[in-house]
Amino acid sequence: DAGITQSPRHKVTETGTPVTLRCHQTENHRYMYWYRQDPGHGLRLIHYSYGVKDTDKGEVSDGYSVSRSKTEDFLLTLESATSSQTSVYFCAISSGGRAFFGQGTRLTVV
Amino acid sequence: AQTVTQSQPEMSVQEAETVTLSCTYDTSESNYYLFWYKQPPSRQMILVIRQEAYKQQNATENRFSVNFQKAAKSFSLKISDSQLGDTAMYFCAFSGINDMRFGAGTRLTVKP
Repeated sequence: DAGITQSPRHKVTETGTPVTLRCHQTENHRYMYWYRQDPGHGLRLIHYSYGVKDTDKGEVSDGYSVSRSKTEDFLLTLESATSSQTSVYFCAISSGGRAFFGQGTRLTVV
Repeated sequence: AQTVTQSQPEMSVQEAETVTLSCTYDTSESNYYLFWYKQPPSRQMILVIRQEAYKQQNATENRFSVNFQKAAKSFSLKISDSQLGDTAMYFCAFSGINDMRFGAGTRLTVKP
């Protein structure tokens, strides 16, 4: 267990509102990732971070931004949520060729 | 960018039989890791097996083994003596220098 927690675990929000998901780790790992999981698509990479204030885009980054001001926290923000962003979001960390996942956040945009 | 392809959306197998899940990937990197993850209905991501690209020997973990063909960029998972508890989504994943990419998944059903 790499000590990853995601919050919130569930959220329902309205279209057009901003939403921030938090990923917190206790192991001081350098690499952190945000994915979304949708049926038929597996896990698609949204953004990732390779250090404090060092982030890069993944394959589905439009409509999302991230921040990493501390090693332990990686925040994912939906600036203006849309129904197409309804999904399950996973945070992950990797270290030494091993990856560990948070429990997931189910986000529903109505 | 790296891509991972799982061409079998769904598979089924009889209990105690053997099943093989396919995965291909594309990358220009020479050092990387490959994984198979299992996701039961609980949504938890469970590492099944891991392969380091520089190792020619195929990884094995009890009933799970891989056939890693680096030149062909192929990484299949063989499950022997399938059990009902193996029913789940299975994801193939690639981890390179920075990012980690997943395939679309294969839903495996083990039938009694």
